[in-house]
Amino acid sequence: ETGVTQTPRHLVMGMTNKKSLKCEQHLGHNAMYWYKQSAKKPLELMFVYSLEERVENNSVPSRFSPECPNSSHLFLHLHTLQPEDSALYLCASSQGTASYEQYFGPGTRLTVT
Amino acid sequence: GQQVMQIPQYQHVQEGEDFTTYCNSSTTLSNIQWYKQRPGGHPVFLIQLVKSGEVKKQKRLTFQFGEAKKNSSLHITATQTTDVGTYFCAASGNTPLVFGKGTRLSVIA
Repeated sequence: ETGVTQTPRHLVMGMTNKKSLKCEQHLGHNAMYWYKQSAKKPLELMFVYSLEERVENNSVPSRFSPECPNSSHLFLHLHTLQPEDSALYLCASSQGTASYEQYFGPGTRLTVT
Repeated sequence: GQQVMQIPQYQHVQEGEDFTTYCNSSTTLSNIQWYKQRPGGHPVFLIQLVKSGEVKKQKRLTFQFGEAKKNSSLHITATQTTDVGTYFCAASGNTPLVFGKGTRLSVIA
């Protein structure tokens, strides 16, 4: 499945680093999402973009900063992360934000040291 | 906000046994979706249920939506090792999907 791609697949970063996660969807969808998946909270919605506008921000710390330059691309900019931010970060897309199936990318496994 | 509770959290079965996971909400749902995530993989959409009392089948998988549209179930008949993974329900409507915590299925050969 190559409908939604994510890079990098694995990332190790120190708490003082700045890095970015990239997501690209090739499905012509209008909505894109960032999820955090960890053992404690299996699928935690972070951000939702619809037609490049952020429509939901679920009380995510400001050290996570999303960017959606167009409907096909989504970024998650990371800075001064904490070890508890280590998790799998999943990107997803769908035709719209309500009642549409979501297509997930393979995820970025992030480790914060 | 809308929440869905999923039980059980874990299920270990012998190959060939049946398996069921349940999804419950305190509020009426517009529709419900089911996803499967294989170990090391990402969630993959299985099905969406929309109508009250709806039942859909995919080979050995049977999906049901309750009459009151407050609960749903996924039943697997005669599990196989290929069924291992985590099964998530997700409630949808006018807001983005709300996922349950998932049921992790292990199948012992």
